[in-house]
Amino acid sequence: GENVEQHPSTLSVQEGDSAVIKCTYSDSASNYFPWYKQELGKRPQLIIDIRSNVGEKKDQRIAVTLNKTAKHFSLHITETQPEDSAVYFCAARAPSNQFYFGTGTSLTVIP
Amino acid sequence: GAVVSQHPSWVICKSGTSVKIECRSLDFQATTMFWYRQFPKQSLMLMATSNEGSKATYEQGVEKDKFLINHASLTLSTLTVTSAHPEDSSFYICSARTGTNQPQHFGDGTRLSIL
Repeated sequence: GENVEQHPSTLSVQEGDSAVIKCTYSDSASNYFPWYKQELGKRPQLIIDIRSNVGEKKDQRIAVTLNKTAKHFSLHITETQPEDSAVYFCAARAPSNQFYFGTGTSLTVIP
Repeated sequence: GAVVSQHPSWVICKSGTSVKIECRSLDFQATTMFWYRQFPKQSLMLMATSNEGSKATYEQGVEKDKFLINHASLTLSTLTVTSAHPEDSSFYICSARTGTNQPQHFGDGTRLSIL
């Protein structure tokens, strides 16, 4: 099955700086890569996604890049704010249509 | 739109009892629902994929007879933890999607505590 790895596990940045989270996947046939933000005790919320036919997607301060050849994709958050503090999960949808999640990154934005 | 409701949000019960968790898509029809388990400060582990009208597909290592999944309608899937024991205590989250190429939307999760 698909195997998704995520780094780093924890990340601290100063408010206003950028944050980058990276994920790799194993199944080259995976074709959809969402990113979720989960605050403590709450449901994961989809923040951005990218499909395999696109290399980059941006939504205001958030962007995702995908390198199909290298089988990795990254989340970029610019001008970070304290409310960006949360756990972020990447995921990959395998050809079986099942989703597999990365191990999560705990982001702390220091005011 | 795309609201997923999960019930109950928290349940505490004695060892040996069975617990049913419901996952409902409130404003859309979900042909596929997913069940995840999440331990504290850990990622979401896919347990099974539930397709309406057919048997669920379980991930390797997940006991089918322990975690019974029923997806009888396009808006409801249930997970029953049978003869629950303390090691089954965890946070269970369901998700649903509107179609094959659509993102999944999560329920609020169920915190299960077995005494």
